[in-house]
Amino acid sequence: GESVGLHLPTLSVQEGDNSIINCAYSNSASDYFIWYKQESGKGPQFIIDIRSNMDKRQGQRVTVLLNKTVKHLSLQIAATQPGDSAVYFCAETGNSGGYQKVTFGTGTKLQVIP
Amino acid sequence: EAGVTQFPSHSVIEKGQTVTLRCDPISGHDNLYWYRRVMGKEIKFLLHFVKESKQDESGMPNNRFLAERTGGTYSTLKVQPAELEDSGVYFCASSQEVGGPQADTQYFGPGTRLTVL
Repeated sequence: GESVGLHLPTLSVQEGDNSIINCAYSNSASDYFIWYKQESGKGPQFIIDIRSNMDKRQGQRVTVLLNKTVKHLSLQIAATQPGDSAVYFCAETGNSGGYQKVTFGTGTKLQVIP
Repeated sequence: EAGVTQFPSHSVIEKGQTVTLRCDPISGHDNLYWYRRVMGKEIKFLLHFVKESKQDESGMPNNRFLAERTGGTYSTLKVQPAELEDSGVYFCASSQEVGGPQADTQYFGPGTRLTVL
């Protein structure tokens, strides 16, 4: 898949456990953050987003936490399932009118152990 | 609703040849983006169209790359002549009309894997 040659940190989680994937960003001007999931042979798939005026947002089985003080973003997946196995990217956009280019992190590979 | 589609899914060419990648965004999406991931690196932005106009092409690596979006629908990305370092996966994404409630959410296509030999 696309990860060949890209040395990704890997998180191994037992099926049913919760997963926490962390991400640090550098641009303090970023005002919109997104988590993407990329499965082998597919493009990044939107999971959840959060704006800089929030510190937490929940979706179905997923929660994103934003700590602007330390420029840290995390994705929590509850009751991890085998179908959650993928590479997860945090991404950010700036604040100059919206509809900005997305800046991706390097990604974390999540392996779910059945 | 059909998602973002890209063609071809794979392309293998020799150094010096020309390749054209195509992206069909989600119908009605004004914003269209090109990204790429080259070996060992993260996904990087190339350029952004709003309808048929180039809004931001700051990520285009050099003048061997030419992107077009005539008519504001599908887009093409041409690499001429291709070099070895152009190998990677090229992603296209689209988002809703400017000012729309989901304008910031970009939906990605499956990518085109380009191999330059």
